[in-house]
Amino acid sequence: GQQLNQSPQSMFIQEGEDVSMNCTSSSIFNTWLWYKQDPGEGPVLLIALYKAGELTSNGRLTAQFGITRKDSFLNISASIPSDVGIYFCAGRYGNQFYFGTGTSLTVIP
Amino acid sequence: NAGVTQTPKFQVLKTGQSMTLQCAQDMNHNSMYWYRQDPGMGLRLIYYSASEGTTDKGEVPNGYNVSRLNKREFSLRLESAAPSQTSVYFCASSGSGGINYGYTFGSGTRLTVV
Repeated sequence: GQQLNQSPQSMFIQEGEDVSMNCTSSSIFNTWLWYKQDPGEGPVLLIALYKAGELTSNGRLTAQFGITRKDSFLNISASIPSDVGIYFCAGRYGNQFYFGTGTSLTVIP
Repeated sequence: NAGVTQTPKFQVLKTGQSMTLQCAQDMNHNSMYWYRQDPGMGLRLIYYSASEGTTDKGEVPNGYNVSRLNKREFSLRLESAAPSQTSVYFCASSGSGGINYGYTFGSGTRLTVV
């Protein structure tokens, strides 16, 4: 299967700080998705990206589809305690999505 | 609320036992998927069903079988459970607009094989 490298693996930040994470692959993807998983729940879609260079926002979240189509970035501005969870990237290759290993975010009040 | 429903939420099996994980969606989605989630491994595709009546292997199909019972339901069966199958299992479906809109996930089944 396709390998997606997601970094950082974990983050511990103070409430109010901005967060950046990224996802890279050796393959070109047609679509990039970002999901958030709360403890004990399934992943929930945050943002979908469909074109190279595309920049899309969802509230305090902003994601970008890398120009090379091999990477994507997610930024969270002014973090709050409910941002805690695991963030996954997913890239579409053929008829399947492949998932990164996740970034675990802890927000310290 | 509409979505993907998985049962059971928790299960403990002894090595060699069998069980079926159930999944149902009420969004009229064509495609359904089974993933497993292990620490540090992300989500890995076990099997998927692009449409009613079809199933295909994903990345890690060994030790599993699936049945697409109808458009709503997609079950995952472990015939002889092994400790290596201890994991969290997620069912997902993709919308009528095509998989490019991403998946809707269930809340997961936490399986422990002892």
